[in-house]
Amino acid sequence: QITLKESGPALVKPTQTLTLTCSFSGFSFTSNAVAVGWIRQPPGKALEWLAHIYGNGDEKYSLSLRSRLTISKDTSKSQVVVTMTNVDPVDTATYYCAHLRADCSGISCYTYDYWGQGALVTVSS
Amino acid sequence: DIQMTQSPSSLSASVGDRVTITCRANQTITKYLNWYQQKPGKAPRLLIYAASRLQSGVPSRFSGSGSGTDFTLTISSLQPEDFAAYYCQQSASALMYTFGQGTKLEIK
Repeated sequence: QITLKESGPALVKPTQTLTLTCSFSGFSFTSNAVAVGWIRQPPGKALEWLAHIYGNGDEKYSLSLRSRLTISKDTSKSQVVVTMTNVDPVDTATYYCAHLRADCSGISCYTYDYWGQGALVTVSS
Repeated sequence: DIQMTQSPSSLSASVGDRVTITCRANQTITKYLNWYQQKPGKAPRLLIYAASRLQSGVPSRFSGSGSGTDFTLTISSLQPEDFAAYYCQQSASALMYTFGQGTKLEIK
């Protein structure tokens, strides 16, 4: 079955760079039919989409955070990494990685059907 | 960019009630609309994809409808385990995806 798990620091200081890793299993990550994405959720607030990367290497980013985000993949390690530069306390959130499928039984869908458990990151000095 | 507006932001209902949550996009997204359920401390769970398709394993009391800019999620008969937050998400834009601000469904 498909599983994903986030890992990274629980605490980061303001202005530092945050690096999070998503380790996944159970699916082939080599085509544009599958992507791994990052979504975050500040405490008590709504979900916010950050970025995703397809198996063919195509990258998509949130327009508001594009200048601070980089997403990459290491297919041999079954990992996707996202880095966020110059973090601020407002970046305190639970960060989720999720599996995106583009095709749902012949229907174009682009939906996040499997999610990791999430990793809480606090930005504080 | 595409903005998603959910209503209501919170809702009180009783077990057995029929509940409807709406989601509106500021431009057409055809049927690229997903619905998720999230319980406290847990990751979101996919309920509906492509506006009206029920994800495998999701009870049939959940249904979705709509196309273009207006969408609804309906729970036909609320069960105790349905009290949670619900989010819509558009995936029509090739540039970025967007979530609604969420609807918190509480017990009356």
